[in-house]
Amino acid sequence: GAVVSQHPSRVICKSGTSVKIECRSLDFQATTMFWYRQFPKQSLMLMATSNEGSKATYEQGVEKDKFLINHASLTLSTLTVTSAHPEDSSFYICSASGGQITDTQYFGPGTRLTVL
Amino acid sequence: QKEVEQDPGPLSVPEGAIVSLNCTYSNSAFQYFMWYRQYSRKGPELLMYTYSSGNKEDGRFTAQVDKSSKYISLFIRDSQPSDSATYLCAIARISGYALNFGKGTSLLVTP
Repeated sequence: GAVVSQHPSRVICKSGTSVKIECRSLDFQATTMFWYRQFPKQSLMLMATSNEGSKATYEQGVEKDKFLINHASLTLSTLTVTSAHPEDSSFYICSASGGQITDTQYFGPGTRLTVL
Repeated sequence: QKEVEQDPGPLSVPEGAIVSLNCTYSNSAFQYFMWYRQYSRKGPELLMYTYSSGNKEDGRFTAQVDKSSKYISLFIRDSQPSDSATYLCAIARISGYALNFGKGTSLLVTP
């Protein structure tokens, strides 16, 4: 149990285009989902926290108009990188939590974004 | 000062060795401690989680928390080449869910 999937696993896009990444909890209801970014040989940096049915909470320094997050259902959250630029190239990872204080976060396999 | 400090390594040990991985944290508000394993180009996989000081054992893995020293450890017994990965410690405040990650320690277990 506690499987989280992400799609796509890899995406290459041109500068200026938008890319949507999906995160799904396959066998549990995720009231809270998190989006992280990880640069090579660096740790995961939290970008935003989203609760189902409400607006995401962004970490300091993360542009909410550039990284659009939607958590429309208890099993799906999406991250859209708008007007992507080469510096947005990174490994984006989502995690999902059942929402109880003792719940742990289960991570998706990540999406490798390359912006040319 | 970062909230979680972790030596990035790399750490290289022979197969069968006992591995000790450590993190320190700065804020006593953190009450929730986890260890994740991450293989290259994959998402982190939860290994251990604990909420209290002391030891928690699961197979070859033992997580240890010392809240008075703000120090957490992961021990791997009888290490195997398949344990070669990056190990990330993560902590959270009891009142929220967002995780603060260490940089991760790269471990290589050689046959």
